[in-house]
Amino acid sequence: DAKTTQPPSMDCAEGRAANLPCNHSTISGNEYVYWYRQIHSQGPQYIIHGLKNNETNEMASLIITEDRKSSTLILPHATLRDTAVYYCIVRRSNTGTASKLTFGTGTRLQVTL
Amino acid sequence: EAGVTQFPSHSVIEKGQTVTLRCDPISGHDNLYWYRRVMGKEIKFLLHFVKESKQDESGMPNNRFLAERTGGTYSTLKVQPAELEDSGVYFCASSQGDRTGKNEQYFGPGTRLTVT
Repeated sequence: DAKTTQPPSMDCAEGRAANLPCNHSTISGNEYVYWYRQIHSQGPQYIIHGLKNNETNEMASLIITEDRKSSTLILPHATLRDTAVYYCIVRRSNTGTASKLTFGTGTRLQVTL
Repeated sequence: EAGVTQFPSHSVIEKGQTVTLRCDPISGHDNLYWYRRVMGKEIKFLLHFVKESKQDESGMPNNRFLAERTGGTYSTLKVQPAELEDSGVYFCASSQGDRTGKNEQYFGPGTRLTVT
């Protein structure tokens, strides 16, 4: 699976949008971009994923560049409860041996008052 | 719908002892995964079950670790004998079968293992 690069930490004011970048310049055409987060002392939590098109759900939006070499996770109105480590993961498939998740070091997002 | 549950939440054992961790996946999920985070390191994949069969156990560190999923429901991960470097948080995750197209992994809260 392609390697990802994320900034180690970011700050965001509560109520503002949090934009978390991820570089995956070696991504292949059949690899998806997944985002998970881990709130302190909890298990990782799925947020969103996409292949080529931008995606939105009740938690966040995912913007993938046209060349697919980078993406941005957007939390439109960050709250204190969004303080967590966010992981960008590139995965080839949902199936079989390719379905395991490879976690990097992620971005520690601190939401402040 | 109940989420992934893990038991115990915390276990403290002495080096050389045996510990068994349990994971109950979300009902109906064929896929079950074990991951762990040891101190200061990233979360690492251990193995993947599809129903009762081991699909991928490439992440298992050594033969002191034994995972089972009898009947394709809950899973256990046994560490025997435990070593100091086994300390960490062990996560279990589950996902639906491939035919549904929904394969996002849902994680349990983890079991914190401390080997002294």
